[in-house]
Amino acid sequence: EAQVTQNPRYLITVTGKKLTVTCSQNMNHEYMSWYRQDPGLGLRQIYYSMNVEVTDKGDVPEGYKVSRKEKRNFPLILESPSPNQTSLYFCASSSIGGDSYNEQFFGPGTRLTVL
Amino acid sequence: AQSVAQPEDQVNVAEGNPLTVKCTYSVSGNPYLFWYVQYPNRGLQFLLKYITGDNLVKGSYGFEAEFNKSQTSFHLKKPSALVSDSALYFCAVRPFSGTYKYIFGTGTRLKVLA
Repeated sequence: EAQVTQNPRYLITVTGKKLTVTCSQNMNHEYMSWYRQDPGLGLRQIYYSMNVEVTDKGDVPEGYKVSRKEKRNFPLILESPSPNQTSLYFCASSSIGGDSYNEQFFGPGTRLTVL
Repeated sequence: AQSVAQPEDQVNVAEGNPLTVKCTYSVSGNPYLFWYVQYPNRGLQFLLKYITGDNLVKGSYGFEAEFNKSQTSFHLKKPSALVSDSALYFCAVRPFSGTYKYIFGTGTRLKVLA
């Protein structure tokens, strides 16, 4: 089954404790992206990656890091989480060619609470 | 600044009636336009997209959207609403600027009443 998986699905942590949210896709997609969803603000793009070792900032990259060492994985790293990073996070992937290009497949989301 | 606006936080419609969820955008050039739907406790699902060509685009679950360049709008429509269409709908834009940034609207909650 074609899917984007994220782990963990729920996480409660404390300020300053480094964490990583993993994202993996099995569709051989070149493009992967991270978003955060906040009430009243919709989805905002954090980082995206066009392919292995190619990443770029979205609209809200501050406080986040990413890496793309393998095509299927795109982890989101919070080196020193703060309460304003409490949010619902989504990973997405898409192809950048063919009929379905630009159609993003989204993971189920990770609800992060930073105390 | 580039932006996407969904002017209605919530749209209520009776089952069987036509529905419209509005989206306007402000980006330079010719953007790629998308609609996504989010059901409770789920990720977003792709509904339809406009890249080029015919201004009326048909998508999943009987939804369609009309691209209007002069009004910079991309409203989502369905001729006959179902209770199961109740969900959160997001309009998104990818500015055709060589980057792969996406800008999403704030979302519109659609409630279809039986």
